[in-house]
Amino acid sequence: AQTVTQSQPEMSVQEAETVTLSCTYDTSESDYYLFWYKQPPSRQMILVIRQEAYKQQNATENRFSVNFQKAAKSFSLKISDSQLGDAAMYFCAYRRGDTGNQFYFGTGTSLTVIP
Amino acid sequence: EPEVTQTPSHQVTQMGQEVILRCVPISNHLYFYWYRQILGQKVEFLVSFYNNEISEKSEIFDDQFSVERPDGSNFTLKIRSTKLEDSAMYFCASRGLIIGAQYFGPGTRLTVL
Repeated sequence: AQTVTQSQPEMSVQEAETVTLSCTYDTSESDYYLFWYKQPPSRQMILVIRQEAYKQQNATENRFSVNFQKAAKSFSLKISDSQLGDAAMYFCAYRRGDTGNQFYFGTGTSLTVIP
Repeated sequence: EPEVTQTPSHQVTQMGQEVILRCVPISNHLYFYWYRQILGQKVEFLVSFYNNEISEKSEIFDDQFSVERPDGSNFTLKIRSTKLEDSAMYFCASRGLIIGAQYFGPGTRLTVL
């Protein structure tokens, strides 16, 4: 069974600084996708970034980047130049590569941005 | 930018009553999902729907739950006889391309009294 583990229930970062959120996963599949979602107080789930397992290059979206270590089954999220609006719950998620399948979510990391 | 919409934003119901939660997925998406999130807990998968049938469901999705795509735009989740433990945020999501991400709606907060 696929599991996603986020070992940091809470993190904090100073505004304009960089923070890294950890995520590990367990799977026997070779084809899969990984995602980071952000859930602000409004509770809507917002896609931050995604990574295809077959791609060696780490995904980047503006201030957000990932460190994807396939052998270690690690998928960390780095937020650079943190902004107050980055404060939210961050969920790591995994999806198998075949069609129509569910996402498996981690338990989340609550990020606080300190002005 | 297209988005998933959900109605109502908040539903309050009495235990034992039926509720229908409604979702309008992104128009060219083919895969539809329902998830729930009990307060303070992680998001849990309920069901996925493709080509007018359930493609996968979790243990949570028992006989009290059903989904339907009654027309070309709506995707509904029905809970036949609500229980107190059904109180949660329910998220609808849709996905297009095989490699695409799921896009979530804003959620419906269900409160069962």
